[in-house]
Parts: sequence; C-alpha cells; structure tokens
Amino acid sequence: EAGVAQSPRYKIIEKRQSVAFWCNPISGHATLYWYQQILGQGPKLLIQFQNNGVVDDSQLPKDRFSAERLKGVDSTLKIQPAKLEDSAVYLCASSFGGSRDEQYFGPGTRLTVT
Amino acid sequence: AQRVTQPEKLLSVFKGAPVELKCNYSYSGSPELFWYVQYSRQRLQLLLRHISRESIKGFTADLNKGETSFHLKKPFAQEEDSAMYYCALGGSNYKLTFGKGTLLTVNP
Repeated sequence: EAGVAQSPRYKIIEKRQSVAFWCNPISGHATLYWYQQILGQGPKLLIQFQNNGVVDDSQLPKDRFSAERLKGVDSTLKIQPAKLEDSAVYLCASSFGGSRDEQYFGPGTRLTVT
Repeated sequence: AQRVTQPEKLLSVFKGAPVELKCNYSYSGSPELFWYVQYSRQRLQLLLRHISRESIKGFTADLNKGETSFHLKKPFAQEEDSAMYYCALGGSNYKLTFGKGTLLTVNP
C-alpha cells in the first residue's frame, strides 16, 4: 500500500510570511495527525482528526496555526504569520482507528523560518 | 498530565553487546506504551507496543507499572540497529506523547 504523502519536503520562508503543508493519508485511515518536531526533541502532537472532525487540538497555537481535513481525506496545515521558533519538521501520520492503533508517518516537511 | 522521559540522548555500544534503552513515564491512568524507530533517511515507524508482547528484530520491552518504566532491550546488538529510538505513551484521549529520543550507535 502507498504510504502517507506530504509536500513540500522542504520550505524556507521569512518570519511573518505564511506557509501551508499538505498531507495525503493512507487510503481508508480514519485518523490523521499533525506533529511538530523541533530539533533534538520528539514529535509533539499539534492536531488530531477523526474523519473530518477535530479530536484534539490542545497544543495547536491557534493564533497562528490552522488545519483542516477536507472530506475526511487530505489535510492542510497552515502557519500565518510564521515565527522563528516555528522552524521544525512537520510530520503527518495516519492510523486506521484511534491513536492506540499503529500510526504510519509521512516523510515530513522541514520548515526553516529566517 | 502525561510525560515520557528518555534519560539518554546518546547510547553507543559494540556489535554483539547487550543494549538497553531506558524509558520512564508519568501517567495516572492505564497507559499504552510504544517504541518507535527512525533509521537514517527513513520514516518514523512503529517498532513494538507493550500490548502485543512481541519480539521485533530481537527487541523486547516489558511494561513495569511499579517502576513506571518501559525499557527496550536486545541481547546482541547489530550494526543495523543504529537509529533514533522514541518511547511513546498513549494516554488520555488516546493522545500519543513522545519522549525526546535516544540515538543508538552500534559500532563494528
């Protein structure tokens, strides 16, 4: 089966600019996750979708970050405006059921904010 | 609150030596523990989970609720085991909390 797809793989922007990331989960997977991984740390959950509804977004900085999952399939994560501390790898993952199922990760998008 | 601690950022062993990657957790409920691994230039992937009680690639991990630990062990390390290992806790709302990771290097 095809894995989780993400684009772009790399992005460099200046602070205060906006950026968007795209994720296509594994077909049939109901749950989609966005993680932020800052250098030297483990992935931190930003938002979790079950189909097209939000299950958890408690760690999403809602003043600048937004995410949506259209029709319960693809998802986009947006940052507007970006700050220097947003420099990180943004990982998308999906699982068949809830988060106690195995999560399958995409390759990630490395964001550098200058 | 749920927390995962991996006390070692780096761990270096020789091929054939035993290896133990430590993981301690903090959670008031009934936890679900996982080990995820990321090999060089590959995606993060599940290695094993405590509920399945399997041995994957020779690795095992036992959940010790008394010590709140879930250490990953392998009796004889191989060079291909070199990777970044993350311990993760599935807790409230089934949200997955990751530790900071341990970089394992197995020297020839």
